[in-house]
Parts: sequence; C-alpha cells; structure tokens
Amino acid sequence: QKEVEQNSGPLSVPEGAIASLNCTYSDRGSQSFFWYRQYSGKSPELIMSIYSNGDKEDGRFTAQLNKASQYVSLLIRDSQPSDSATYLCAVPEGLDSSYKLIFGSGTRLLVRP
Amino acid sequence: NAGVMQNPRHLVRRRGQEARLRCSPVKGHSHVYWYRQLPEEGLKFMVYLQKENIIDESGMPKERFSAEFPKEGPSILRIQQVVRGDSAAYFCASSPSRPPTYSGNTIYFGEGSWLTVV
Repeated sequence: QKEVEQNSGPLSVPEGAIASLNCTYSDRGSQSFFWYRQYSGKSPELIMSIYSNGDKEDGRFTAQLNKASQYVSLLIRDSQPSDSATYLCAVPEGLDSSYKLIFGSGTRLLVRP
Repeated sequence: NAGVMQNPRHLVRRRGQEARLRCSPVKGHSHVYWYRQLPEEGLKFMVYLQKENIIDESGMPKERFSAEFPKEGPSILRIQQVVRGDSAAYFCASSPSRPPTYSGNTIYFGEGSWLTVV
C-alpha cells in the first residue's frame, strides 16, 4: 500500500515568514506530485504540481522535489493570515491510475497576524 | 473549483435511511471521480466513472454503496442504510479525459457534500 506522510501540525508561523511544509512518499516510482490547500469546511484546491527534481515557483509558492530522498515540500513566502489552512500532499497511485490520488492526512498551517 | 457542481451541500440522514449525492461535472467532461474524507482523515478515492460505465470502484465499500453516471444527468453516489461511520465529506471531481501521467494535469474537486448521520 503506497503511503504519503505529512506532519499533522499545526505549524504556526508569524505573518511575513516563510512556511515550510513537508511530505514524504513511499513509492520510489512516483512521478507526479500535487499540493492542495483546503480551508475548513471547503473542498481541496490545487495550488501546485511538480514532476521534475528541483524547484518550481509560482508566485509566493515554491514546490521542491527530491526523488532520491522521496521528499516533496511546499514553501510559502511572505505568509499571510489567509494562508491559514490545511495543506494536502497527493501522489497518483500508479502510471495506469493517475486519477487515483493518494493523499497525506494534511498539515495544518496557522499564520499569526 | 472548475465548475463541478455538487448537491446537496449538506445532508442529514437518520441511521438506516438512504443518502443520494449528486455531481454534475464540468460541461463536456465525461470522466467523474468520487472521493471521501472522513473526519480527521485524508481524502480517499472511491470510484471512477465514465458515462454509463464504472471504470474503477476499488475504493468503494463492498456493501451499501453504489455509484452511477448515466448517459443523461448527473453522477449519483448512493448510500443505502446509512450508519454513523458514513458521516463524511464526499467530493466529486471531473476531467475531460483520464489525467495523463508525467504531467501536472490532475483532477479538480467540486465543493463537496457533507453527510451527517444521526
């Protein structure tokens, strides 16, 4: 059974700081990785995807992938109170089942004003 | 969220009743996926449907749960004889085709249906 692990948090950072969210995955063959943001009582919203080793930047968000270490992270620069949410890491189950995402349990982020 | 419409948004059922959750995919999308999020747990895949076909139901509980995506109309997730453990958020997603691998393409979720069994 493939697994995706995240620290449940909460991770508390002051406004303006960098928030670093981490995720490890068990399947060395995984190729694509996704970060979703979920506000309480709302649906998950895709914010970043990455499938090549290294960094991928989109605005204040940077996804980092290290396939050798089976580690993917999400950095949020200049954190805002509106970034307070649960961040879910997701990995497709397999090459033939890319629709079947394996989700971590999520890391709750709190950004203090 | 990519135009996937779910209803009802909130549903309360007594134990033993039936729950029907509806999902209208983005116009033109013929692939629908249902996921469930139990309290304090991560999202888990339930079923993948195309029009009139169940493609993968490996995540569906063996009993009481069924899903369909008819030629006309929304996709329906049906839960018979609900129990308290069925209380969860049920999310539907759709896509125009099966998400390709080796890419950043994935699925986008609707707003969800929150089922509470009392």
